[in-house]
Amino acid sequence: ETGVTQTPRHLVMGMTNKKSLKCEQHLGHNAMYWYKQSAKKPLELMFVYSLEERVENNSVPSRFSPECPNSSHLFLHLHTLQPEDSALYLCASSQEVGNEQYFGPGTRLTVT
Amino acid sequence: GQNIDQPTEMTATEGAIVQINCTYQTSGFNGLFWYQQHAGEAPTFLSYNVLDGLEEKGRFSSFLSRSKGYSYLLLKELQMKDSASYLCAARSGAAGNKLTFGGGTRVLVKP
Repeated sequence: ETGVTQTPRHLVMGMTNKKSLKCEQHLGHNAMYWYKQSAKKPLELMFVYSLEERVENNSVPSRFSPECPNSSHLFLHLHTLQPEDSALYLCASSQEVGNEQYFGPGTRLTVT
Repeated sequence: GQNIDQPTEMTATEGAIVQINCTYQTSGFNGLFWYQQHAGEAPTFLSYNVLDGLEEKGRFSSFLSRSKGYSYLLLKELQMKDSASYLCAARSGAAGNKLTFGGGTRVLVKP
C-alpha cells in the first residue's frame, strides 16, 4: 500500500449507530488531518494531529471523536449522527503540520 | 475571521490559458496553497506560496500578493484532463495548523 488509505470507502448508518472511519498513511509523515466535504460547501478542517497529539479542533460536535494511536493511523469515531452529517470525509497527512497535504480517497458517509 | 473567495466556475478552450483568482481575509496568514480535485477524487497538491511573487511549475503557475490578500493560479496550454475543481486554501495559526479552503473553482475545458 502506498500513500494515504481510508476504509471503508462507503458507509451508510442510522442515527443511533456507532461506527468508525479508519485512515492509514504510508508516507512517514508526522501530521494527520480529518476534513469534511459537503456538496456546495468548502472543504472543512475538523481535526489536526501532530505526532499523535491533537493540535487543532475546529468546533466540531462531540458526536465526532478522533483518535490517533500512532503517527500512521487516524480514526474518526461516529455516534448518534444527524442526516446533515452525510458527507465525504477525507483524511490527509503531511510531513509536518502546515506542509503540503496528501489526501486519501475519502469515505462517503450517508446518515439515514 | 477567515474568508476565502474564488469564482464558482470557469470555462476555457483546449490549448488556451485560464487564470483563477482567489482573495482571502485571514488573520495570522502565513501561506497559500492550491489543490486540484477531479470529480469523485481526492484533492492533490499543486502549489504553495508564502512570499510575494510568481512560482512556476510546468504548465501551472501561482502568484501571491500578501499586501492585497490576493493569489491566482494560471493554467497554460490547457488540456482536457485539466477539467477539475481548483481549491485555494489559506494557512494561518502560529504553528500553521489552520487551513481554510475556498469553495473551489470548477474549470471546464472544451475542445
